[in-house]
Amino acid sequence: DAKTTQPNSMESNEEEPVHLPCNHSTISGTDYIHWYRQLPSQGPEYVIHGLTSNVNNRMASLAIAEDRKSSTLILHRATLRDAAVYYCILQAGNQFYFGTGTSLTVIP
Amino acid sequence: EPEVTQTPSHQVTQMGQEVILRCVPISNHLYFYWYRQILGQKVEFLVSFYNNEISEKSEIFDDQFSVERPDGSNFTLKIRSTKLEDSAMYFCASSEDFGGLAGSNNEQFFGPGTRLTVL
Repeated sequence: DAKTTQPNSMESNEEEPVHLPCNHSTISGTDYIHWYRQLPSQGPEYVIHGLTSNVNNRMASLAIAEDRKSSTLILHRATLRDAAVYYCILQAGNQFYFGTGTSLTVIP
Repeated sequence: EPEVTQTPSHQVTQMGQEVILRCVPISNHLYFYWYRQILGQKVEFLVSFYNNEISEKSEIFDDQFSVERPDGSNFTLKIRSTKLEDSAMYFCASSEDFGGLAGSNNEQFFGPGTRLTVL
């Protein structure tokens, strides 16, 4: 009973934008959408989060669909250091539901 | 830069034994979490903790699991009688807030994890 679904893997060329999609069709009105990434042998690292409006920070942008049933993490210029597994997560109350993650490969 | 630390980095135990995994969250954080990640699988939420009590827990967090903040710095996860399927990487995380209010900061900082191997 997955709350979020993501593609297993994606590839991007270095210096190009990357759009990582996530579907969360069962999202409730008060659920936050988070994105974290995980490099090999490390704990997850915060990327961005939002509720209804699109969000920008120094790492990425988060575009949230109007019906909130999907979202897209945008890395504006992929670098080799962005190669990681990206998790789309729903926060319901103080419980967090991770997706299976998208493994991003960045091609030099 | 402040960070979450976890000890030990690797714990090997026999099935049926009790284990305690330790975490030191970031000092001014108020919310604490445990997650597990079975090898090759996604990260799974176990429990969140605030104000010295469990805030939320998942179905995985059954009676075999308990958490405690025994002093002002440590946050522990105890598994009373380990099973083979408890073998996983266990991550501790902490945050200033849980994000229920607009503008609140619920960014979670994760520790490096403890790899638990149950034989």
